[in-house]
Amino acid sequence: NAGVTQTPKFQVLKTGQSMTLQCAQDMNHNSMYWYRQDPGMGLRLIYYSASEGTTDKGEVPNGYNVSRLNKREFSLRLESAAPSQTSVYFCASSEIWAETFGYGYTFGSGTRLTVV
Amino acid sequence: QKEVEQNSGPLSVPEGAIASLNCTYSDRVSQSFFWYRQYSGKSPELIMSIYSNGDKEDGRFTAQLNKASQYVSLLIRDSQPSDSATYLCAVRGSGNTGKLIFGQGTTLQVKP
Repeated sequence: NAGVTQTPKFQVLKTGQSMTLQCAQDMNHNSMYWYRQDPGMGLRLIYYSASEGTTDKGEVPNGYNVSRLNKREFSLRLESAAPSQTSVYFCASSEIWAETFGYGYTFGSGTRLTVV
Repeated sequence: QKEVEQNSGPLSVPEGAIASLNCTYSDRVSQSFFWYRQYSGKSPELIMSIYSNGDKEDGRFTAQLNKASQYVSLLIRDSQPSDSATYLCAVRGSGNTGKLIFGQGTTLQVKP
């Protein structure tokens, strides 16, 4: 009963390196999301997947790619990391219609990424 | 204009007082509104949701929604030092994607 699990929790990358952030949920939710959080900026949506087999860009998609591997898993890939991608990344999941009735998102614990 | 706006604070209140947190949004067709609490270094956790005009109460928390004014607020009664955190307002955008748009958050400090 982990909810939303993100790995890794911490990562330091050199500029130009690539990496994949993993996210898995065990709540049978249809929708999954990737956000980044920077000081004073709140949470900004990078990509989302409304349902298995679909992905769409959010507010800040440049420099990222995503894969909805199956209903449980939604990964975020940085192909060539840049210092501007230093941030805290959160994965979240929900049911679409749950928002209407106030269930909101369940968040993972976050990945703290530093690009040097 | 940002889609969801909050005063970043910090908002400082004494223990036992009422803390009032405010949020405005720009999309008139928004239907659902959420308040998340985030402790430093932790992930956001949902504390209140509201989708009808008026007030919704849950323990010490009251969410208020005024769709005509595009305004959402969160009142915390009998504030405790453990309420010190950043409070994020989130709005469900139009369409059926379920995605939430977040404000930048308001930092609340409750002083003993």
